[in-house]
This record gives sequence, structure tokens and C-alpha cells, in this order.
Amino acid sequence: QKEVEQDPGPLSVPEGAIVSLNCTYSNSAFQYFMWYRQYSRKGPELLMYTYSSGNKEDGRFTAQVDKSSKYISLFIRDSQPSDSATYLCAMSYNFNKFYFGSGTKLNVKP
Amino acid sequence: NAGVTQTPKFRVLKTGQSMTLLCAQDMNHEYMYWYRQDPGMGLRLIHYSVGEGTTAKGEVPDGYNVSRLKKQNFLLGLESAAPSQTSVYFCASTKIRTDMNTEAFFGQGTRLTVV
Repeated sequence: QKEVEQDPGPLSVPEGAIVSLNCTYSNSAFQYFMWYRQYSRKGPELLMYTYSSGNKEDGRFTAQVDKSSKYISLFIRDSQPSDSATYLCAMSYNFNKFYFGSGTKLNVKP
Repeated sequence: NAGVTQTPKFRVLKTGQSMTLLCAQDMNHEYMYWYRQDPGMGLRLIHYSVGEGTTAKGEVPDGYNVSRLKKQNFLLGLESAAPSQTSVYFCASTKIRTDMNTEAFFGQGTRLTVV
């Protein structure tokens, strides 16, 4: 069993839609949760990070962590074509290693 | 400020050939990582380093070696390339964690094909 599971998609939505991206994990020791965005043929770049459970909001993006269910989510409001990318969740418990999901490909249609 | 730079960006190898991928960072980061990214598999950690002169194995270390002789450089070597090592390789670096900022900075990737 993979430590981090993520639906690969692709997910196609119209511009302006609310997007929900999710990951589940098996290691209860994970404390730090991150979302990375990766444009085609580029390296991943950090979008948001959260510590332990709860919500964090940054502009159109909201990250949620539910440690009791071992489930994290990223919501994108008012999605834009420029949001079209692959979104990777990542987790860590000691900063030495990051465990990544396989990524969900998102396409926002104009 | 270039961040994390990987060379080369593309390479085609024949089975059995060897090569070295170079990662250089100019952010004075302590930690450096090598990942491979394959369709449906996400990013898998090959090797990592927590400081100059130290390296450790990740999830998929077989067939690879690494060296961190200088703090700013992290080299990934393929001793005898195999088609299963066809992948996109990413280098990343992070500073020592003293707060919640857990950002790993990634290079642009090296696309390697082994035929």
C-alpha cells in the first residue's frame, strides 16, 4: 500500500467552478501537509502548507486536513484556465523526507 | 538568484552506459534530494542528503549512487543504465527546519531515456 494515495484524474471543469482535490494517507505520524502545483514540463512549486489538522486559506485556495480520517483536501474557488496543472499533495513527519501523492491533473476550460 | 539548477535537461542513454546528473543550488540549503517522477507513481525519493558529505537512501535507491562533496551540489550517478530508469528526475533542496515553512524548491527536471 502506498503511503499517500491521490486520484490521478484528469479532472476537467469549466472556468469559475469550485475544484476539490483530495489525498488519503496511511501513516498517522505525518504532521506537515503540503500542496504543490506542477505545470507541464516544469518542477513542482509549493502552493500551500498546513500543520496538523484544520483549515488554511490563501486567496482562492483553501487547504483542509482531517487527521482523524487521514484525509486532506485542496479547494480552488473561481477556478481559472491558469490553474490548469497537476496538483501534488505531499506529507512529512520529520522534514528529512517528503512523501508525495501521484498527482491530479486539472484542466480548467475557458 | 537561480534557485535549483539541473544539468542536463535531456539525455538519451544506451543500456549499460553510465552518466551523472548534476544539481546545484544557490540558496545555502542544507538538505538536498533526488526524486524520479513516473506516470501514475508520483515523485519517489531516490537518495537525499542532510548536509555536506552525508547521504542516505530513499525509497528507490537501487541502481543509483550520489555524492555531496560541496554543500551547493548534489550529484546523481547511474552506474549501468537500464530501460527501467527512463524517467524524469527532479532535484530539490530545503533549508534546515526551524519553523513551519516546509517548502522544497525543485529544479526544472532532467528527462532521461534509456534505450
